[in-house]
Amino acid sequence: DAGVTQSPTHLIKTRGQQVTLRCSPISGHKSVSWYQQVLGQGPQFIFQYYEKEERGRGNFPDRFSARQFPNYSSELNVNALLLGDSALYLCASSLAGQGSLKKLFFGSGTQLSVL
Amino acid sequence: EDKVVQSPLSLVVHEGDTVTLNCSYEVTNFRSLLWYKQEKKAPTFLFMLTSSGIEKKSGRLSSILDKKELSSILNITATQTGDSAIYLCAVVPRTRSTLGRLYFGRGTQLTVWP
Repeated sequence: DAGVTQSPTHLIKTRGQQVTLRCSPISGHKSVSWYQQVLGQGPQFIFQYYEKEERGRGNFPDRFSARQFPNYSSELNVNALLLGDSALYLCASSLAGQGSLKKLFFGSGTQLSVL
Repeated sequence: EDKVVQSPLSLVVHEGDTVTLNCSYEVTNFRSLLWYKQEKKAPTFLFMLTSSGIEKKSGRLSSILDKKELSSILNITATQTGDSAIYLCAVVPRTRSTLGRLYFGRGTQLTVWP
């Protein structure tokens, strides 16, 4: 079975541009979460989606948005990119949803560089 | 504010050594604590701990949770070069408003020399 897959693996953008990152969860997993990991830091929670609805949002500006599709894949969009958005963006999927324990399976991430 | 603190941030050892990694947390309504290993990009799951005092073991790795002290340790015995990685600790809160959120520490960078 395939794990969590993310695309693209690497991306270079300039300030002010917009970017879309994609994630396909493990088959059968209905929950997808997005995390931002800046070099030298632990992952920071951005969003969680379950059954196509936003179920949690971290402390990120409105420039960050996401959605989940009927096949449970997900996209993360970031508008008006800033240099500080340069980071590894991790997607994680789980069987768990509301009220369940959170064992997450992570993809290999998208490395975003903003110049 | 909820937070997770790991120590040490960096550790260099020789093959065969035993290491202990620490994680302490201040999280409202604790539910569980997870350990991940991050070698290149994708963190891979090691352990989930929910009950205090119960040791989880997998080969040379073991972990235990102390709810009274709000902490956990991850032990690695007879280290190998393949154990070189960042070890992340994450805490799951129970509160509905933070549903789906894991609070991660900064991680411990472990380097094992041959």
